[in-house]
Amino acid sequence: NAGVMQNPRHLVRRRGQEARLRCSPMKGHSHVYWYRQLPEEGLKFMVYLQKENIIDESGMPKERFSAEFPKEGPSILRIQQVVRGDSAAYFCASSPLRDSTDTQYFGPGTRLTVL
Amino acid sequence: AQKITQTQPGMFVQEKEAVTLDCTYDTSDPSYGLFWYKQPSSGEMIFLIYQGSYDQQNATEGRYSLNFQKARKSANLVISASQLGDSAMYFCAMRDNTDKLIFGTGTRLQVFP
Repeated sequence: NAGVMQNPRHLVRRRGQEARLRCSPMKGHSHVYWYRQLPEEGLKFMVYLQKENIIDESGMPKERFSAEFPKEGPSILRIQQVVRGDSAAYFCASSPLRDSTDTQYFGPGTRLTVL
Repeated sequence: AQKITQTQPGMFVQEKEAVTLDCTYDTSDPSYGLFWYKQPSSGEMIFLIYQGSYDQQNATEGRYSLNFQKARKSANLVISASQLGDSAMYFCAMRDNTDKLIFGTGTRLQVFP
């Protein structure tokens, strides 16, 4: 039973380029969450999606960041025109149900480095 | 506003001893979940243990137990019989009715022989 898959594990981009981070939830999970971890900090919520719907994007920066979870395929976090401050670890988590008791299981993360 | 506080930036423990990692939380929602995650140096986030706000018993998972004191709004993680492989960052998190997880700043645990 495969866990949450994220790729790439490491991504290097130059300032101004686009970064695309992919996340495949655990089998049977229809809820996907993206978090960002800056160096030496805890994780901060970015966005919560279900298939074809953004449920809560209160943690997403207003510009350059977008997320989707299409009917088919993985969830994508897209960062346009990256800046050095976007360098961080980006984690995806999934859960089966929308309930406060449900555990979110995390993928291995994508480490984004902006040169 | 919901908040998680971990006041111990770092902890040391000798192998085979028990250690308690502190976590306090703040929320006005009556229904919430409390979680602990381990982040080793390799970077992944590993789920350890869960406690629901209505659970009467403290949660236990192997060597991990959660000391849940609802009136004090604390959810401390107890690791018994520490092992060298327990050295890692430990994050306390809370999930409330807004679905997101709110994380503390973490505690770095180092286990020495």
